[in-house]
Amino acid sequence: EVQLVESGGGLVKPGGSLRLSCAASSFNFSDYSMNWVRQAPGMGLEWVASISSLGPYLNYADSVRGRFTVSRDNGKKSLYLQMNSLRIDDTAVYYCVSSGPVGSSGYLAYWGRGTLVTVST
Amino acid sequence: DIQMTQSPSSLSASVGDRVTITCRASQDVRIYLNWYQQRPGKAPKLLIYSASTLQSGVPARFSGGGSGTDFTLTISSLQPEDFATYYCQQSFSTWTFGQGTKVEIK
Repeated sequence: EVQLVESGGGLVKPGGSLRLSCAASSFNFSDYSMNWVRQAPGMGLEWVASISSLGPYLNYADSVRGRFTVSRDNGKKSLYLQMNSLRIDDTAVYYCVSSGPVGSSGYLAYWGRGTLVTVST
Repeated sequence: DIQMTQSPSSLSASVGDRVTITCRASQDVRIYLNWYQQRPGKAPKLLIYSASTLQSGVPARFSGGGSGTDFTLTISSLQPEDFATYYCQQSFSTWTFGQGTKVEIK
């Protein structure tokens, strides 16, 4: 069974930085594009960032572009999200999510349990 | 960005009921439409992709339909474990989600 386990969340002040990690197991991590999706408390889902299987293709939501950086280490089967210049409205549970197989239609196949990021004074 | 609008925002239903949720896109997304279920306190789970393809392991009482701008998710006979929030997502262009439909027990 595919397992995605996020870590690195916590409480940070506005303007601060945080780095999220996601450890993958039980699937061929290097074959899949990976994504971060977030959910503010009591709210809906928002796509944050994507990275292709070998890393050269990156994409970001307008709300985080220039502040967040997604990266991956296929040897370590890990996904990362470097978050800088954090704002109060970045407060959310951040989910690590795998895309479907190569050539699939952009669906989000497997989700981690999420890690909570709280930006507050 | 493409706006996704779900209706209703919430509904109350009984075990055994047939339930249909609608998702409308602000522009044509062909069949690049996916559905997710989120139970309280849990991560979302993929139910249906490409508008009508059931993800492996998802019960056959779930079905999806539509193309272009109008889509539906139907649960043929609601079960206790189906009380949850459902989200549609378009993957035609920059990914966006609907606001969610909460299915509650009547």
